[in-house]
Amino acid sequence: DTGVSQDPRHKITKRGQNVTFRCDPISEHNRLYWYRQTLGQGPEFLTYFQNEAQLEKSRLLSDRFSAERPKGSFSTLEIQRTEQGDSAMYLCASSYRDRRGEQYFGPGTRLTVT
Amino acid sequence: AQSVTQPDIHITVSEGASLELRCNYSYGATPYLFWYVQSPGQGLQLLLKYFSGDTLVQGIKGFEAEFKRSQSSFNLRKPSVHWSDAAEYFCAVGSYSGGGADGLTFGKGTHLIIQP
Repeated sequence: DTGVSQDPRHKITKRGQNVTFRCDPISEHNRLYWYRQTLGQGPEFLTYFQNEAQLEKSRLLSDRFSAERPKGSFSTLEIQRTEQGDSAMYLCASSYRDRRGEQYFGPGTRLTVT
Repeated sequence: AQSVTQPDIHITVSEGASLELRCNYSYGATPYLFWYVQSPGQGLQLLLKYFSGDTLVQGIKGFEAEFKRSQSSFNLRKPSVHWSDAAEYFCAVGSYSGGGADGLTFGKGTHLIIQP
């Protein structure tokens, strides 16, 4: 069990650019989640997958946000036409189907939009 | 819609003293409740969880929490804090649908400061 990993750990981009983050879940976990955490707030749920199926995406913040998990393993979160308000920590978590909600979190990707 | 309230933004406790962090939730059915800890530069670490059964649950690092349905609360406690407990603590509520857990709803967190 090597834990959830995220890449990159930090990303600085200019407003209007597109960014993509990657998450590698714990290998036997079937569900993968994306959250956003802004300064002084708790994580905010964005979307999640069961294997390759995206089960919930209505909580994505706008149509500039999209996520994929093409082979049911790693996942990517893309933000198009970034805005300064997108600056935040983006967290990924994964869970196993029978562990009743025990989500294990990665270290996060900190995005700064200048 | 489910929600979590952590009434205390900051709490300061002397090292060796006892600790209680408050959490109130709103959820229509039996909730799944969690406490996570986040240290600076670190990811979220699960301290403990409640699904059903015994309302007093034990977690890692000497923490425990008590589920009180009548008060919609899930307060976190520790009998004696250590300087290393200084961190941000988050309470969260979740649900479980076929195949696994749904997304969690977190509170805004309580920042714990330990005085020497």
